[in-house]
Amino acid sequence: DQQVKQNSPSLSVQEGRISILNCDYTNSMFDYFLWYKKYPAEGPTFLISISSIKDKNEDGRFTVFLNKSAKHLSLHIVPSQPGDSAVYFCAASPRYSGAGSYQLTFGKGTKLSVIP
Amino acid sequence: DTAVSQTPKYLVTQMGNDKSIKCEQNLGHDTMYWYKQDSKKFLKIMFSYNNKELIINETVPNRFSPKSPDKAHLNLHINSLELGDSAVYFCASSQTGTGVRRAFFGQGTRLTVV
Repeated sequence: DQQVKQNSPSLSVQEGRISILNCDYTNSMFDYFLWYKKYPAEGPTFLISISSIKDKNEDGRFTVFLNKSAKHLSLHIVPSQPGDSAVYFCAASPRYSGAGSYQLTFGKGTKLSVIP
Repeated sequence: DTAVSQTPKYLVTQMGNDKSIKCEQNLGHDTMYWYKQDSKKFLKIMFSYNNKELIINETVPNRFSPKSPDKAHLNLHINSLELGDSAVYFCASSQTGTGVRRAFFGQGTRLTVV
């Protein structure tokens, strides 16, 4: 049972254009959401996050939007650059305390290719 | 300085063997984790551990056990390795009680069981 879904396994975008990566979740206990970027043979690296009390968070070229009623979030990258080519994972963490609160449930990832 | 480091990066071993993967973090974090990325690329939590509690994902076989000699280390021991254990294992750490619930990941250990 996938609690975090990324339905697009891949996405190709022209350099300079906007990349939009989508993510849906089903578990109502999730109240914090993150995007990670992963290059081959490396571990995931944190990109940006958003708490459920917000609907938007921005960091430079990266913006995450959260629609709680639809249980949907998206990552916008503007403008896209060839160095952004990687696998992007959406992740969510639950409203627990202690060691469990930072456990991340990941989607399957979307491979973004930015074409020069 | 690598924040979260795992050794070895690659591990090839025969079925039935017992092996360990080491993980160290120099971030001063209070919680460490092991994640598994299987052949279908799913990245799933296996364990969460701080000095007060161990949380085990119910799907993890009891052949897998985390061992923490101190706050900066969380090693993964695997007994009686099976073909299906082949995967990439990631160690991670985080500091609870902060506003940003981000985890820092190691570079991964690719385990191949033959």
